[in-house]
Amino acid sequence: QSVLTQPPSLSGAPGQTVTISCAGSSSNIGAGYDVHWYQQLPGTAPKLLIYGNTNRPSGVPDRFSGSKSDTSASLIISGLQTEDEADYYCQSYDSSLSGVVFGGGTKLTV
Amino acid sequence: QVQLQESGPGLVKPSQTLSLTCSVSGGSISSGNHYWSWIRQHPGKGLEWIGYIYYSGTTYYNPSLKSRVTISVDTSKNYFSLRVSSLTAADTAVYFCARLPEFGTITDAFDIWGQGTMVTVSS
Repeated sequence: QSVLTQPPSLSGAPGQTVTISCAGSSSNIGAGYDVHWYQQLPGTAPKLLIYGNTNRPSGVPDRFSGSKSDTSASLIISGLQTEDEADYYCQSYDSSLSGVVFGGGTKLTV
Repeated sequence: QVQLQESGPGLVKPSQTLSLTCSVSGGSISSGNHYWSWIRQHPGKGLEWIGYIYYSGTTYYNPSLKSRVTISVDTSKNYFSLRVSSLTAADTAVYFCARLPEFGTITDAFDIWGQGTMVTVSS
């Protein structure tokens, strides 16, 4: 069971907007630690999508955005495209565990 | 453009020790004050952080794996390594190496990843 909780699966039609949630606690997201998001296409390594809660690395489309509030965070994907079909993971740091923690991942079907 | 490449045995026996190497190309492992990390992914499952090493050699490990894991760095050969002892089937996973950004801290995102290497623990 992951320290950060994500919905196992979500689906959306092309052009729609989906929101992937990442629920944490007072020892990780609620403690002020940043949340980062990754996209993992089948058979490939995770790719950084959002860092520091809301920032996009160069080359990531602005259809992807992030937010954080209290003990949770969200990844918002607008204008869904078929190539967005992938697994998405959130990541933060946990002071109780003294280490990096990941969400269990969300499989997005478009 | 820095690239990471994992290498090591694809099959190891239970109770043995796994040794993996992550070669860094396109840049020096000792420049930029980076943390270098190992992360694994069990088949069909999520990601699990194993540990970090700073370019100077300081290490941080996942408490759940700490007793069996060693991460080291060889700046002369531009790679860092992972050793996992007392292997069981539960260590079967894809092992990724990854990097934190320049001057990043251990709470930052992994900006560069290797392609991953599958390790199966079986007799």
